[in-house]
Amino acid sequence: QQPVQSPQAVILREGEDAVINCSSSKALYSVHWYRQKHGEAPVFLMILLKGGEQKGHEKISASFNEKKQQSSLYLTASQLSYSGTYFCGTNNNNDMRFGAGTRLTVKP
Amino acid sequence: DAGVIQSPRHEVTEMGQEVTLRCKPISGHDYLFWYRQTMMRGLELLIYFNNNVPIDDSGMPEDRFSAKMPNASFSTLKIQPSEPRDSAVYFCASRGTAGSYGYTFGSGTRLTVV
Repeated sequence: QQPVQSPQAVILREGEDAVINCSSSKALYSVHWYRQKHGEAPVFLMILLKGGEQKGHEKISASFNEKKQQSSLYLTASQLSYSGTYFCGTNNNNDMRFGAGTRLTVKP
Repeated sequence: DAGVIQSPRHEVTEMGQEVTLRCKPISGHDYLFWYRQTMMRGLELLIYFNNNVPIDDSGMPEDRFSAKMPNASFSTLKIQPSEPRDSAVYFCASRGTAGSYGYTFGSGTRLTVV
């Protein structure tokens, strides 16, 4: 079953912050985050394996609330290069299911 | 490492023709996944292999689709006969054994069936 992402799209100015949410109706054991630029393949950003785990990747970080079956991706001080579509993926048994994606546009 | 290699990058074919998509995973990765991406349905898991064995093919849309992995370095996804609704970008991805690894995607094959 696919996780649900919100918002569907967000437009930012350089330097602004954004939060992308991912939730599942099933228990989550791990959450992946990927970014896909137009015409390219999805690129792995990070994985969260335990409830409450937070990870960071430059100015992009994520949290995982196992109880609420939710994960959030935080983009701080956004840069033009952050533009793209962000996907969360959840898998319980190696069969990764992706959300519909959040299109992030960062403008100068 | 060259990453996950897919071929061809683009394929245009006529309805009814057979189409074969190819994938070479990263050496040492023992999981291989085939995904299809469309605007309407997003990224859909079609099938995945572990150590060359198909584990779950429940995402394969119809009998017209088949996938094989004859060895650790090669996999194919075949559509026979192809239909216009099969037009999509098909991605292959691979992953190592440890659960902490992310997926590495190939560049994808953009299939257009006319």
